[in-house]
Amino acid sequence: EPEVTQTPSHQVTQMGQEVILRCVPISNHLYFYWYRQILGQKVEFLVSFYNNEISEKSEIFDDQFSVERPDGSNFTLKIRSTKLEDSAMYFCASSEGTVSIPQHFGDGTRLSIL
Amino acid sequence: AQTVTQSQPEMSVQEAETVTLSCTYDTSESDYYLFWYKQPPSRQMILVIRQEAYKQQNATENRFSVNFQKAAKSFSLKISDSQLGDAAMYFCAYGRGAQKLVFGQGTRLTINP
Repeated sequence: EPEVTQTPSHQVTQMGQEVILRCVPISNHLYFYWYRQILGQKVEFLVSFYNNEISEKSEIFDDQFSVERPDGSNFTLKIRSTKLEDSAMYFCASSEGTVSIPQHFGDGTRLSIL
Repeated sequence: AQTVTQSQPEMSVQEAETVTLSCTYDTSESDYYLFWYKQPPSRQMILVIRQEAYKQQNATENRFSVNFQKAAKSFSLKISDSQLGDAAMYFCAYGRGAQKLVFGQGTRLTINP
């Protein structure tokens, strides 16, 4: 069964540094998402992306965050200047977009900010 | 705004027994989907079961079934014949079409051998 793949599985970064989290969605999917889960808390929506533009973003997704689909297969989340509170598990998800098809999640990237 | 509430932070059950996890939600929409996702210690998010709001019949996937009460906005998950591998965090989620998923706070399920 096709999978959403995320790299790296764990990223350790100094506060203030830029970080890029990478995702390869399922190939025929059209809608892409990033979610965040701070340790011990619920999964929170960050941003959705369709047709090469952001379709929705949450309050968490401020100017420090950006997303890109640079080459038709990868979907990246960039955090420009990381803060301690950005430490979390970041999940990429994709879907075909039709109502009968749920979002498929990658295994996540654990981001640790020192 | 849609909200999802899971009022049981933790549940435990004996192996081979049945357990029910509760979920309530709030929406003004009539057409939507509800999901249960399982998150084992590896922290993957694995889809367990989904329910279309327009369907009256409760969804079933092997040992997993739901009790969907649309008027009450309730969506509980029943796990029959619990197995050690069922131990995980379970999240209830609400979604519409290609829009974002809204998750509940999660219920940590422990299976006692």
